[in-house]
Amino acid sequence: ETGVTQSPTHLIKTRGQQVTLRCSSQSGHNTVSWYQQALGQGPQFIFQYYREEENGRGNFPPRFSGLQFPNYSSELNVNALELDDSALYLCASQEGPGELFFGEGSRLTVL
Amino acid sequence: GNSVTQMEGPVTLSEEAFLTINCTYTATGYPSLFWYVQYPGEGLQLLLKATKADDKGSNKGFEATYRKETTSFHLEKGSVQVSDSAVYFCALSDQGNTPLVFGKGTRLSVIA
Repeated sequence: ETGVTQSPTHLIKTRGQQVTLRCSSQSGHNTVSWYQQALGQGPQFIFQYYREEENGRGNFPPRFSGLQFPNYSSELNVNALELDDSALYLCASQEGPGELFFGEGSRLTVL
Repeated sequence: GNSVTQMEGPVTLSEEAFLTINCTYTATGYPSLFWYVQYPGEGLQLLLKATKADDKGSNKGFEATYRKETTSFHLEKGSVQVSDSAVYFCALSDQGNTPLVFGKGTRLSVIA
């Protein structure tokens, strides 16, 4: 177990809705990254937060947004959900440039 | 841009068989290379890594050598066990550990 916890583990939404996914990072880790893993694909980098600031972003539209809180926990928000947003969303935390520790993910289904 | 290509699965092996999962990459500069494993119902775990050419990463009987001349990082294990059944991802990063660029993953099933 990595100490990175994500919630909810599973959820179902309909097109056009909004979703918030949450991540509690491992103690002492000040950097959080989010990845999207579509079925049968490898994870794709969405963005990274370091000390509450966005610190890098992948090729995802602005309707994917995030937050990091003073305790280094994080949220991923997705607006105007599309069917293709159905995926496993993975959170990973790290201390500085160290190893990434992944949570078990939140599986989102968009109908 | 950077990319990782790994062999298509699924791969099915008998216990104690030799395992190779091929991985090649395209990157500018000198990336760090990783193998991650995803056991059923669990998150990704770092299996091994190598940060420069000719480095060999190893863990739990798995090995991979960073080959700059062939841009490869193939994963090998001499004798697989049923407990090795999982999905294996090859990945790279040209900025230390993040962001990671992953391959599509290779599912390994080991049967007794």
